[in-house]
Amino acid sequence: QAQLEQSGPAVKKPGASVKVSCRASGYSFFTFGITWVRQAPGQGLEWMGSISVFNGKTDLAQKFQGRVTMTTDTPTSTAYMELRSLRSDDTAVYYCARDLSTMVSPNWLDPWGQGTRVTVSS
Amino acid sequence: IVLTQSPGTLSLSPGERATLSCRASQSISSTHLAWYQQRPGQAPRVLIYGASNRATGIPDRFSGSGSGTDFTLTISRLEPEDFAVYYCQQYGTSPKTFGQGTKVEI
Repeated sequence: QAQLEQSGPAVKKPGASVKVSCRASGYSFFTFGITWVRQAPGQGLEWMGSISVFNGKTDLAQKFQGRVTMTTDTPTSTAYMELRSLRSDDTAVYYCARDLSTMVSPNWLDPWGQGTRVTVSS
Repeated sequence: IVLTQSPGTLSLSPGERATLSCRASQSISSTHLAWYQQRPGQAPRVLIYGASNRATGIPDRFSGSGSGTDFTLTISRLEPEDFAVYYCQQYGTSPKTFGQGTKVEI
């Protein structure tokens, strides 16, 4: 079955960058996109954006434009999300999820990775 | 599109019925509304997509309904493992926003 395995926790200083990886298995990586969602401590889910593995096109939430880069590496079936200029309010668990959207139909997220905790602290 | 979930917290007992609401700030297609469950310390998982379709492996005590701006998730008889936080998401329009969540607690 489809699974997403994320990289381990990271502790970063303000102003630094973090790159989270998400390795897919159990399905054809090329077929679907990857969406990134974050969750601050005790808070709800925040949609960050998505990337099409097919053509590399990204769709980012406005607040992350200019600070987030999403990429994929098809030979290793791995997606990456890099967040730059980290601030304390970027402290959160970052999730990747398979985006079942197609060229003609937007769809839901399934499955999700286990999450990567990123802590930003001086 | 802003999704507003209510109530914020629902206090119920096992065996009771839970009714969760998700209201959108503008009309959305019912085919573009999903519900997710997040248990403590776990990643979310999809329960319902297209407003009323149960995802693979989801028990039939979970059901979704609604259209336009008002959507509902119903859990007919709460089991101990159902006490969790539930999120709705619209995925038809970017940004593909989530509601703020409803916590179902004992």
